[in-house]
Amino acid sequence: DVQMTQSPSSLSASVGDRVTITCRASQSIGNYLNWYQQKPGKAPKLLISTASSLQSGVPSRFSGSGSGTDFTLSISYLQPEDFTTYFCQQSYITPLTFGGGTTVEIK
Amino acid sequence: QVQLQESGPGLVKPSQTLSLTCNVSGGSISSAGYYWSWMRQHPGKGLEWIGYIYYSGRTDYNPSLKSRVSISVDTSKIQFSLKMTSVTAADTAMYYCARGRHTGFDPWGQGTLVTVSS
Repeated sequence: DVQMTQSPSSLSASVGDRVTITCRASQSIGNYLNWYQQKPGKAPKLLISTASSLQSGVPSRFSGSGSGTDFTLSISYLQPEDFTTYFCQQSYITPLTFGGGTTVEIK
Repeated sequence: QVQLQESGPGLVKPSQTLSLTCNVSGGSISSAGYYWSWMRQHPGKGLEWIGYIYYSGRTDYNPSLKSRVSISVDTSKIQFSLKMTSVTAADTAMYYCARGRHTGFDPWGQGTLVTVSS
Protein backbone atom coordinates (compact mmCIF):
# COMPACT_ATOMS: atom_id res chain seq x y z
CA ASP A 1 0.00 0.00 0.00
CA VAL A 2 1.10 3.59 -0.59
CA GLN A 3 1.45 5.26 2.78
CA MET A 4 0.58 8.95 2.86
CA THR A 5 2.24 10.94 5.62
CA GLN A 6 0.94 14.41 6.36
CA SER A 7 2.74 16.96 8.44
CA PRO A 8 2.21 18.64 10.70
CA SER A 9 -0.75 16.86 12.27
CA SER A 10 -1.87 20.23 13.62
CA LEU A 11 -0.76 23.81 13.44
CA SER A 12 -1.78 27.10 14.98
CA ALA A 13 -2.07 30.23 12.91
CA SER A 14 -3.79 33.59 12.79
CA VAL A 15 -6.21 35.10 10.35
CA GLY A 16 -4.19 36.51 7.49
CA ASP A 17 -1.28 34.09 7.88
CA ARG A 18 0.07 31.83 5.16
CA VAL A 19 0.32 28.14 6.04
CA THR A 20 1.77 25.14 4.25
CA ILE A 21 0.83 21.50 4.77
CA THR A 22 3.02 18.71 3.47
CA CYS A 23 2.04 15.27 2.22
CA ARG A 24 4.66 12.63 1.47
CA ALA A 25 3.97 9.38 -0.36
CA SER A 26 5.88 6.18 0.38
CA GLN A 27 6.49 5.71 -3.36
CA SER A 28 6.21 7.87 -6.43
CA ILE A 29 2.62 8.64 -7.36
CA GLY A 30 3.25 11.07 -10.20
CA ASN A 31 0.79 13.90 -9.74
CA TYR A 32 -2.08 11.68 -8.58
CA LEU A 33 -2.54 13.60 -5.36
CA ASN A 34 -5.73 15.27 -4.21
CA TRP A 35 -6.48 17.59 -1.27
CA TYR A 36 -9.69 17.78 0.74
CA GLN A 37 -11.08 20.09 3.38
CA GLN A 38 -13.32 18.65 6.06
CA LYS A 39 -15.34 20.75 8.48
CA PRO A 40 -16.74 19.23 11.68
CA GLY A 41 -19.75 17.02 11.06
CA LYS A 42 -19.44 17.37 7.29
CA ALA A 43 -18.18 15.25 4.44
CA PRO A 44 -14.80 16.07 2.94
CA LYS A 45 -14.79 18.57 0.09
CA LEU A 46 -12.37 18.29 -2.84
CA LEU A 47 -10.18 21.38 -3.02
CA ILE A 48 -7.35 20.46 -5.36
CA SER A 49 -6.94 17.54 -7.75
CA THR A 50 -3.88 16.09 -9.48
CA ALA A 51 -1.57 18.04 -7.19
CA SER A 52 -2.30 21.55 -8.41
CA SER A 53 -5.70 21.87 -10.13
CA LEU A 54 -7.98 24.10 -8.12
CA GLN A 55 -11.56 22.93 -8.14
CA SER A 56 -14.27 25.24 -9.39
CA GLY A 57 -15.50 27.56 -6.67
CA VAL A 58 -12.49 27.08 -4.40
CA PRO A 59 -10.87 30.39 -3.44
CA SER A 60 -7.59 31.20 -5.14
CA ARG A 61 -5.83 31.53 -1.77
CA PHE A 62 -5.59 27.72 -1.88
CA SER A 63 -2.82 26.25 -4.00
CA GLY A 64 -1.11 22.90 -4.42
CA SER A 65 2.21 21.79 -5.79
CA GLY A 66 4.51 18.81 -6.02
CA SER A 67 5.03 15.58 -7.88
CA GLY A 68 6.51 12.18 -7.27
CA THR A 69 6.54 11.74 -3.50
CA ASP A 70 6.39 15.25 -2.04
CA PHE A 71 3.40 17.57 -2.19
CA THR A 72 2.25 20.74 -0.48
CA LEU A 73 -1.02 22.52 0.12
CA SER A 74 -0.68 26.22 0.81
CA ILE A 75 -3.28 28.60 2.09
CA SER A 76 -2.38 32.23 1.76
CA TYR A 77 -4.10 34.86 3.86
CA LEU A 78 -6.06 32.48 6.13
CA GLN A 79 -9.71 33.28 6.57
CA PRO A 80 -11.85 32.29 9.59
CA GLU A 81 -13.60 29.56 7.58
CA ASP A 82 -10.24 27.94 6.75
CA PHE A 83 -9.62 26.79 10.33
CA THR A 84 -10.50 23.13 9.96
CA THR A 85 -8.98 19.81 8.87
CA TYR A 86 -7.26 18.95 5.59
CA PHE A 87 -6.49 15.54 4.08
CA CYS A 88 -4.40 14.42 1.15
CA GLN A 89 -5.27 11.32 -0.91
CA GLN A 90 -3.42 9.40 -3.58
CA SER A 91 -5.37 8.20 -6.60
CA TYR A 92 -2.41 6.50 -8.31
CA ILE A 93 -3.01 2.92 -7.24
CA THR A 94 -5.41 0.88 -5.16
CA PRO A 95 -5.86 0.60 -2.30
CA LEU A 96 -6.55 4.32 -2.46
CA THR A 97 -5.12 5.90 0.66
CA PHE A 98 -5.43 9.11 2.63
CA GLY A 99 -3.07 11.06 4.80
CA GLY A 100 -3.77 11.27 8.50
CA GLY A 101 -5.00 14.84 8.33
CA THR A 102 -3.82 18.26 9.40
CA THR A 103 -5.92 20.45 11.65
CA VAL A 104 -5.42 24.19 11.27
CA GLU A 105 -6.30 25.87 14.55
CA ILE A 106 -6.69 29.49 15.50
CA LYS A 107 -3.75 30.82 17.46
CA GLN B 1 -25.31 18.50 -10.56
CA VAL B 2 -24.73 15.04 -9.17
CA GLN B 3 -25.72 14.49 -5.57
CA LEU B 4 -25.27 11.40 -3.41
CA GLN B 5 -27.21 10.32 -0.35
CA GLU B 6 -26.46 7.36 1.90
CA SER B 7 -29.18 5.37 3.63
CA GLY B 8 -29.30 2.34 5.88
CA PRO B 9 -29.57 1.20 9.49
CA GLY B 10 -27.70 3.27 12.03
CA LEU B 11 -27.34 0.33 14.41
CA VAL B 12 -26.09 -3.14 13.54
CA LYS B 13 -25.51 -6.03 15.93
CA PRO B 14 -22.08 -7.67 16.15
CA SER B 15 -21.56 -10.54 13.69
CA GLN B 16 -24.38 -9.31 11.48
CA THR B 17 -24.20 -7.74 8.02
CA LEU B 18 -24.04 -4.00 7.47
CA SER B 19 -25.98 -2.88 4.40
CA LEU B 20 -25.90 0.65 3.05
CA THR B 21 -27.25 2.21 -0.13
CA CYS B 22 -26.12 5.33 -1.93
CA ASN B 23 -28.73 7.03 -4.09
CA VAL B 24 -27.39 9.07 -6.97
CA SER B 25 -29.36 11.99 -8.37
CA GLY B 26 -28.66 14.52 -11.07
CA GLY B 27 -26.57 12.24 -13.22
CA SER B 28 -26.00 8.78 -14.62
CA ILE B 29 -24.34 6.05 -12.62
CA SER B 30 -23.19 4.55 -15.92
CA SER B 31 -21.10 7.55 -16.95
CA ALA B 32 -17.77 6.45 -18.36
CA GLY B 33 -14.66 7.08 -16.35
CA TYR B 34 -16.17 7.20 -12.89
CA TYR B 35 -15.99 4.82 -10.01
CA TRP B 36 -18.53 4.78 -7.22
CA SER B 37 -16.84 4.43 -3.88
CA TRP B 38 -17.40 3.83 -0.22
CA MET B 39 -15.19 5.30 2.47
CA ARG B 40 -15.42 5.32 6.23
CA GLN B 41 -14.11 7.45 9.02
CA HIS B 42 -13.78 6.21 12.57
CA PRO B 43 -14.71 8.82 15.19
CA GLY B 44 -12.04 11.47 15.35
CA LYS B 45 -9.84 9.61 12.89
CA GLY B 46 -8.75 9.68 9.28
CA LEU B 47 -10.40 8.33 6.17
CA GLU B 48 -10.30 4.75 4.94
CA TRP B 49 -11.19 3.68 1.42
CA ILE B 50 -13.41 0.58 1.47
CA GLY B 51 -13.79 -0.07 -2.24
CA TYR B 52 -15.44 0.94 -5.45
CA ILE B 53 -17.47 -0.29 -8.36
CA TYR B 54 -16.39 1.04 -11.71
CA TYR B 55 -18.87 2.25 -14.30
CA SER B 56 -18.15 -0.98 -16.21
CA GLY B 57 -19.14 -3.08 -13.19
CA ARG B 58 -15.60 -3.99 -12.17
CA THR B 59 -15.00 -3.84 -8.45
CA ASP B 60 -11.91 -3.24 -6.35
CA TYR B 61 -11.68 -3.48 -2.58
CA ASN B 62 -9.28 -2.54 0.16
CA PRO B 63 -7.36 -5.75 0.92
CA SER B 64 -7.85 -5.09 4.63
CA LEU B 65 -11.62 -5.50 4.19
CA LYS B 66 -11.88 -7.52 0.99
CA SER B 67 -12.97 -10.77 2.64
CA ARG B 68 -16.01 -9.07 4.22
CA VAL B 69 -17.07 -6.46 1.67
CA SER B 70 -19.04 -6.37 -1.54
CA ILE B 71 -20.24 -3.43 -3.62
CA SER B 72 -22.96 -3.68 -6.21
CA VAL B 73 -24.84 -1.29 -8.47
CA ASP B 74 -28.47 -1.07 -9.51
CA THR B 75 -28.53 1.10 -12.60
CA SER B 76 -32.32 1.04 -12.81
CA LYS B 77 -32.59 2.57 -9.37
CA ILE B 78 -29.49 4.73 -9.91
CA GLN B 79 -27.93 3.52 -6.69
CA PHE B 80 -25.03 1.46 -5.46
CA SER B 81 -24.73 -0.54 -2.31
CA LEU B 82 -22.25 -1.74 0.28
CA LYS B 83 -22.47 -4.97 2.22
CA MET B 84 -20.04 -5.75 5.02
CA THR B 85 -20.34 -9.08 6.80
CA SER B 86 -19.38 -10.19 10.30
CA VAL B 87 -19.19 -6.69 11.72
CA THR B 88 -17.57 -5.87 15.05
CA ALA B 89 -17.30 -2.75 17.18
CA ALA B 90 -14.26 -1.82 15.10
CA ASP B 91 -16.61 -1.21 12.17
CA THR B 92 -18.39 1.59 14.04
CA ALA B 93 -17.77 4.62 11.86
CA MET B 94 -19.21 7.30 9.63
CA TYR B 95 -19.70 5.79 6.19
CA TYR B 96 -19.54 7.95 3.07
CA CYS B 97 -20.28 7.25 -0.55
CA ALA B 98 -18.62 9.31 -3.26
CA ARG B 99 -18.05 9.50 -6.99
CA GLY B 100 -14.43 9.13 -7.91
CA ARG B 101 -11.90 9.47 -10.68
CA HIS B 102 -8.15 9.84 -10.75
CA THR B 103 -8.89 13.50 -10.08
CA GLY B 104 -10.34 12.71 -6.68
CA PHE B 105 -13.63 12.03 -4.95
CA ASP B 106 -16.34 14.52 -5.78
CA PRO B 107 -19.09 14.80 -4.78
CA TRP B 108 -19.57 13.01 -1.47
CA GLY B 109 -22.71 12.04 0.32
CA GLN B 110 -23.38 13.62 3.69
CA GLY B 111 -22.39 10.42 5.46
CA THR B 112 -24.26 8.01 7.67
CA LEU B 113 -23.15 6.92 11.13
CA VAL B 114 -23.19 3.18 11.72
CA THR B 115 -22.80 1.87 15.24
CA VAL B 116 -22.09 -1.79 15.88
CA SER B 117 -23.52 -2.76 19.24
CA SER B 118 -25.74 -5.38 20.79
